[in-house]
Amino acid sequence: QVQLQESGPGLVKPSETLSLICTVSGYSISSGYYWGWIRQPPGKGLEWIGNVFHGGSTYYNPSLKSRVTISLDTSRNQFSLRLTSVTAADTALYYCVQSLQDDRFDPWGQGTLVTVSS
Amino acid sequence: SFEVTQPPSVSVSPGQTASISCSGDKLGEKFVCWYQQKPGQSPVLVIYQDTKRPSGIPERFSGSNSGNTATLTISRTQALDEADYYCQTWDSSTALFGGGTKLTVL
Repeated sequence: QVQLQESGPGLVKPSETLSLICTVSGYSISSGYYWGWIRQPPGKGLEWIGNVFHGGSTYYNPSLKSRVTISLDTSRNQFSLRLTSVTAADTALYYCVQSLQDDRFDPWGQGTLVTVSS
Repeated sequence: SFEVTQPPSVSVSPGQTASISCSGDKLGEKFVCWYQQKPGQSPVLVIYQDTKRPSGIPERFSGSNSGNTATLTISRTQALDEADYYCQTWDSSTALFGGGTKLTVL
């Protein structure tokens, strides 16, 4: 059974870079699937950030593309999210997910809250 | 840009059938997934590829997709089905979520 766990700072200052890691257990990320990030501002809906394929190719939400990097670390069975030049609008619960491109997101991690504030 | 629209809220009585819609231009030509999110929990996939149920999801949950509207149907609704429900599809390699529907079981 695949399990995902997000980790990273809970507080980031405006204009700085948000960095999160997702640790995957129960499956080798180099074996297949896409791996992605989705966020949810407090009290609001879901927003897809992007996916990375096990081979390394990436797909990003056009609205965030200029600020986002998603990458794999197969040696640690982890993948990461970097979001640059953050503002208060980036405050959200960030989920990592296993994905099939053009299909579903399943399962989801438990989520980690990131607050952007000085 | 492509958008999908859900009603903000739907109410249903216990034991009755709840229907939650998701609308978008020619949505029936795309695959739609549905996620259930209870307060303080991560979303859970309940329907994928329009009509398929992941293992562990009760048969009471079903989906359809035709024309401009996809529908999540919950039969014999129970109090534990009270949650936010999100539809999701893809357009030009971009994943899109509906705004979510709060299902209240009265």
